[in-house]
Amino acid sequence: DSGVTQTPKHLITATGQRVTLRCSPRSGDLSVYWYQQSLDQGLQFLIQYYNGEERAKGNILERFSAQQFPDLHSELNLSSLELGDSALYFCASTSGGEDEQFFGPGTRLTVL
Amino acid sequence: ILNVEQSPQSLHVQEGDSTNFTCSFPSSNFYALHWYRWETAKSPEALFVMTLNGDEKKKGRISATLNTKEGYSYLYIKGSQPEDSATYLCAFANYGQNFVFGPGTRLSVLP
Repeated sequence: DSGVTQTPKHLITATGQRVTLRCSPRSGDLSVYWYQQSLDQGLQFLIQYYNGEERAKGNILERFSAQQFPDLHSELNLSSLELGDSALYFCASTSGGEDEQFFGPGTRLTVL
Repeated sequence: ILNVEQSPQSLHVQEGDSTNFTCSFPSSNFYALHWYRWETAKSPEALFVMTLNGDEKKKGRISATLNTKEGYSYLYIKGSQPEDSATYLCAFANYGQNFVFGPGTRLSVLP
């Protein structure tokens, strides 16, 4: 158990819908990263937050957005969902920039 | 576009064999190189974070080296065990804190 929690574990929804994925980092960690793993692709970095502020942006679509709240939990919002958004979404937390990242169990999103 | 490559794509070894994999990454604007172990149906687990050229890190039977000037890192597993079977991922981070993962090396250790 890494200490990072993600909810929900599974999510099934329809195209065009909007969903919110939630991540709680390890106690004391200030930084949260979001990743997407699609069926035919490796892990793709989406976005990073540090202590409530966006720190770095990767291959995140404009239909996706994220935020980190004062209690340091983070939410990833996916809107206007398409079939291709079906994937495993991981969050990871770390205390600082070059420290090892601890991954949550992931949320599996299925868009029908 | 940042490109991170790993070789081989997959590897089958016998229990007790030692093995190694390669991660190649851009040599410019280097910030850190991460190695992860990813077992099926689990989450990636951090092995090493390497930041300095010439760095060598070790955790049990697993070790890694880093060459930032030429843009490669090696991961070594000594005396492979069946429980080492997993996909080993490397991830390159530049100063923009952009993380790019390699495609992974899938290791199968046969008893």
